[in-house]
Amino acid sequence: NAGVTQTPKFRILKIGQSMTLQCTQDMNHNYMYWYRQDPGMGLKLIYYSVGAGITDKGEVPNGYNVSRSTTEDFPLRLELAAPSQTSVYFCASTTSGAGRDEQFFGPGTRLTVL
Amino acid sequence: DAKTTQPPSMDCAEGRAANLPCNHSTISGNEYVYWYRQIHSQGPQYIIHGLKNNETNEMASLIITEDRKSSTLILPHATLRDTAVYYCIVRAPDTGGFKTIFGAGTRLFVKA
Repeated sequence: NAGVTQTPKFRILKIGQSMTLQCTQDMNHNYMYWYRQDPGMGLKLIYYSVGAGITDKGEVPNGYNVSRSTTEDFPLRLELAAPSQTSVYFCASTTSGAGRDEQFFGPGTRLTVL
Repeated sequence: DAKTTQPPSMDCAEGRAANLPCNHSTISGNEYVYWYRQIHSQGPQYIIHGLKNNETNEMASLIITEDRKSSTLILPHATLRDTAVYYCIVRAPDTGGFKTIFGAGTRLFVKA
């Protein structure tokens, strides 16, 4: 299993541009999440999904959109990028909550908005 | 989910045990204690979790006090590669983790 994969690894955007951060997991996990991490800080939840077709907002959803058309994929869309969105973005997945319930994280996407 | 308090940083000599404390005085009866770590620039990695009893796996041991208001993560023989930020998280297991709150954690420096 590849686990959780994210693309791209790095990206520089100009203010006002848009982009989609890709996230794929091959563990058949129902739950998927997007976090952002600013320098020296903990992770903040942007959006999460409990299954295909179901998404909901986390702590900091403004400026982002998500979709979950399949179990495997959970892309994060940035519309009208702003410097405040400069951050490292992590995607994660977990099982439905039974048993060990650990979260598996991807390697992250480092985004800079200039 | 209950809030946790961790020291911002700790040092440990290579080969010695690293003992990372966490306070969670408002923990509820059904909430587990989870530990993750984040090595520089990588995604967080699960270490261990427990409810009441002490737990041990190939990475670490988790000691939870009898009143469950605090816990300690123990890395028995710390190596330079254990230098990372360690997060203590408290949450109920059936929430699917979507309310997992990662605070600032403890930055552990393992020194040669």
